[in-house]
Amino acid sequence: EAGVAQSPRYKIIEKRQSVAFWCNPISGHATLYWYQQILGQGPKLLIQFQNNGVVDDSQLPKDRFSAERLKGVDSTLKIQPAKLEDSAVYLCASSLAGTGDYEQYFGPGTRLTVT
Amino acid sequence: AQSVTQLGSHVSVSEGALVLLRCNYSSSVPPYLFWYVQYPNQGLQLLLKYTTGATLVKGINGFEAEFKKSETSFHLTKPSAHMSDAAEYFCAVQAHNQGGKLIFGQGTELSVKP
Repeated sequence: EAGVAQSPRYKIIEKRQSVAFWCNPISGHATLYWYQQILGQGPKLLIQFQNNGVVDDSQLPKDRFSAERLKGVDSTLKIQPAKLEDSAVYLCASSLAGTGDYEQYFGPGTRLTVT
Repeated sequence: AQSVTQLGSHVSVSEGALVLLRCNYSSSVPPYLFWYVQYPNQGLQLLLKYTTGATLVKGINGFEAEFKKSETSFHLTKPSAHMSDAAEYFCAVQAHNQGGKLIFGQGTELSVKP
């Protein structure tokens, strides 16, 4: 079974530029999560989708971050414009459903450096 | 609000020694509890989890953790460290009715000396 796929793996941009990350979850997983992991910290949830609907985006900086999961499968996270403090690893995870009974499987992440 | 505290950002042990990584949580209701491991440039992998039932949980790679409600703790242990255990370890909690969101501690980096 293929795991969670993410691309690109690494991205370097200048502040005020825009960037987009892509995630393809495990086939059949209805729930998709985007986490931000700043160096030296644990991951923090940015947004959670159930199929193509948003369940939780309370910690998403909506003035610059956006995310979509149009067909309930793959997802894109965008930052526009980027700030220095957005430098982090962006992790995508998926699960069959959004409860503790179902394991969240994580992708390898996209490491973003904003200069 | 729920939170997770991992005591010690860096832990170093000798190969063959006991591994003990500490995790305490704050929550009005005991949440689901998880330990994840992260190897360099990789995503997180689930080591073990506690949802209900037996409070001593066994996971992969010889790790286990015990849920102690009275101490609000979920410490991770392994009797004998191996060089391949060197990685970052994260404790996480999940509320029963908040859609699956995981709240992570800040992580503990485990080093294993030969």
